[in-house]
Amino acid sequence: QQQVKQSPQSLIVQKGGISIINCAYENTAFDYFPWYQQFPGKGPALLIAIRPDVSEKKEGRFTISFNKSAKQFSLHIMDSQPGDSATYFCAASMTDYKLSFGAGTTVTVRA
Amino acid sequence: NAGVTQTPKFRILKIGQSMTLQCAQDMNHNYMYWYRQDPGMGLKLIYYSVGAGITDKGEVPNGYNVSRSTTEDFPLRLELAAPSQTSVYFCASSNSGGGQETQYFGPGTRLLVL
Repeated sequence: QQQVKQSPQSLIVQKGGISIINCAYENTAFDYFPWYQQFPGKGPALLIAIRPDVSEKKEGRFTISFNKSAKQFSLHIMDSQPGDSATYFCAASMTDYKLSFGAGTTVTVRA
Repeated sequence: NAGVTQTPKFRILKIGQSMTLQCAQDMNHNYMYWYRQDPGMGLKLIYYSVGAGITDKGEVPNGYNVSRSTTEDFPLRLELAAPSQTSVYFCASSNSGGGQETQYFGPGTRLLVL
């Protein structure tokens, strides 16, 4: 049973466009929501993370939007570049060390 | 700093064979993890360790064993390999406890069981 549901499974965006990936969770005890980026043949790497006391966090072209009442959070990639082509995983955790990952979204940015 | 290293990169096993996936980290992290990644399923936690000599089961531990004799190394043992264990295996480490610590992943081991 997936504790974090992620959509879409894949998306294609033109260079310069906006990529949006959505995640939903049920467990209200989750209090940390990271996004990991994975390039083909590599391990995932932390991209950006948010805690539920803020509704938005921005780092460069990457923004997390968080809606605590709806139990949803999303990743926006602004001005998408070919180098952003990767698989993105949302995740959630409580105060213990275990991360629950979403199923992943493969983003392809066309030049 | 090499970070988290894993060997081998790729392995083909026959059903019933056993093998050990190696993982090492040079960041002096206490916490280490093993995940498996299957297409469309994300990453599932197999085992984790909070320090040398201490290990515990994750979501999908059946068919696997681990040991942690040193801070640096966290091998994953597959006994009696089955086709269902065909997957990509990632080892990760983090500095301390709490799910809010960044986990650093190795490059993965691709395993094919035929």
